[in-house]
Amino acid sequence: EPEVTQTPSHQVTQMGQEVILRCVPISNHLYFYWYRQILGQKVEFLVSFYNNEISEKSEIFDDQFSVERPDGSNFTLKIRSTKLEDSAMYFCASKTDINTEAFFGQGTRLTVV
Amino acid sequence: QKEVEQNSGPLSVPEGAIASLNCTYSDRVSQSFFWYRQYSGKSPELIMSIYSNGDKEDGRFTAQLNKASQYVSLLIRDSQPSDSATYLCAVNPDSSYKLIFGSGTRLLVRP
Repeated sequence: EPEVTQTPSHQVTQMGQEVILRCVPISNHLYFYWYRQILGQKVEFLVSFYNNEISEKSEIFDDQFSVERPDGSNFTLKIRSTKLEDSAMYFCASKTDINTEAFFGQGTRLTVV
Repeated sequence: QKEVEQNSGPLSVPEGAIASLNCTYSDRVSQSFFWYRQYSGKSPELIMSIYSNGDKEDGRFTAQLNKASQYVSLLIRDSQPSDSATYLCAVNPDSSYKLIFGSGTRLLVRP
């Protein structure tokens, strides 16, 4: 069964360092997302990406964040200068159409020390 | 501010019982509604989607939607200990690409 895959599963980084989280969405999906979940809190929307551009972003998604689909299969989230409060699980998701079901990857646990 | 509200629980039911999970949402024009299951430390796993008023059944799961009351529910029949998890209600607001999640209800099924 097709699935969204994310790498790495766990990343530890020092405050101020840049990190890139990687995702391979399901192959026939057109809408791509990043969500995050701080420990014990809700799943929060960060950004959506469609037709090679950002379609919507949240207040969390500031200038420190960027997304890219460099090669037609990978979808990446870059955090330029990590802060302690960026520590969270980051989930990639994809879907076929705007109102259809979103399928989530297994997540990347980011720990900023 | 568009919100999705769930009782945090825990909801404790004996094995074999029906578990009833509820969710309300604030955006009256929302069109798409989803239930996800999340085990501790894992990602959300899609259980059900529902788009129109009424009931939708899939195996042991039934989703119910009442748009007039802005209310979505999930019934789990013949609950099993393996159903013990946090159940997330998610809403796709109208004209939006994103999902808004509730904080989840923790379900505990006692053997």
